[in-house]
Amino acid sequence: DSGVTQTPKHLITATGQRVTLRCSPRSGDLSVYWYQQSLDQGLQFLIQYYNGEERAKGNILERFSAQQFPDLHSELNLSSLELGDSALYFCASGDDNGNEQFFGPGTRLTVL
Amino acid sequence: GENVEQHPSTLSVQEGDSAVIKCTYSDSASNYFPWYKQELGKGPQLIIDIRSNVGEKKDQRIAVTLNKTAKHFSLHITETQPEDSAVYFCAATLDSSYKLIFGSGTRLLVRP
Repeated sequence: DSGVTQTPKHLITATGQRVTLRCSPRSGDLSVYWYQQSLDQGLQFLIQYYNGEERAKGNILERFSAQQFPDLHSELNLSSLELGDSALYFCASGDDNGNEQFFGPGTRLTVL
Repeated sequence: GENVEQHPSTLSVQEGDSAVIKCTYSDSASNYFPWYKQELGKGPQLIIDIRSNVGEKKDQRIAVTLNKTAKHFSLHITETQPEDSAVYFCAATLDSSYKLIFGSGTRLLVRP
């Protein structure tokens, strides 16, 4: 167990809908990273927050957004969902003293 | 941008044999190289990492080597056991970017 929690574990929704994925980092970690894992694209970095502020951005679609709250939990919002958004979404956290990132169990999103 | 290539995509070994997975990276400024193990239905688990100022690191049956000149790094697993069966990912990152760039993964099967 990495200490990173993610909810929900599974999410099934329809095209055009909006969903919110939630992540709680390990105790003491200020950084939260979001990654998407799909069969064709592998593990792709989406976005990083550090202590409430956006720090780095990857190949995140404009339909996707994230935020980190004062208690350091983070939410990833996915809107106008398309079939191709079906994937595993992972959150990772780190203490920012090194580069170590510890991953949560993921949320499996299925868009029908 | 940074690119990480990983080989082989699948690897089957007899229990007790050694397994080697190789990765190459494109950005010579990369300075942190973690390896993750992902079991079915779980998030990636950090198993070992190495920084650019070190050539080799070992942790029990697992070792990682880094050749900065050739820009490649390798994971070595000795005395493999069935529970080592999983997908292994290499990754690379720069201190300033924080994001992990992952290889495409190696599916390791250890035959009893």
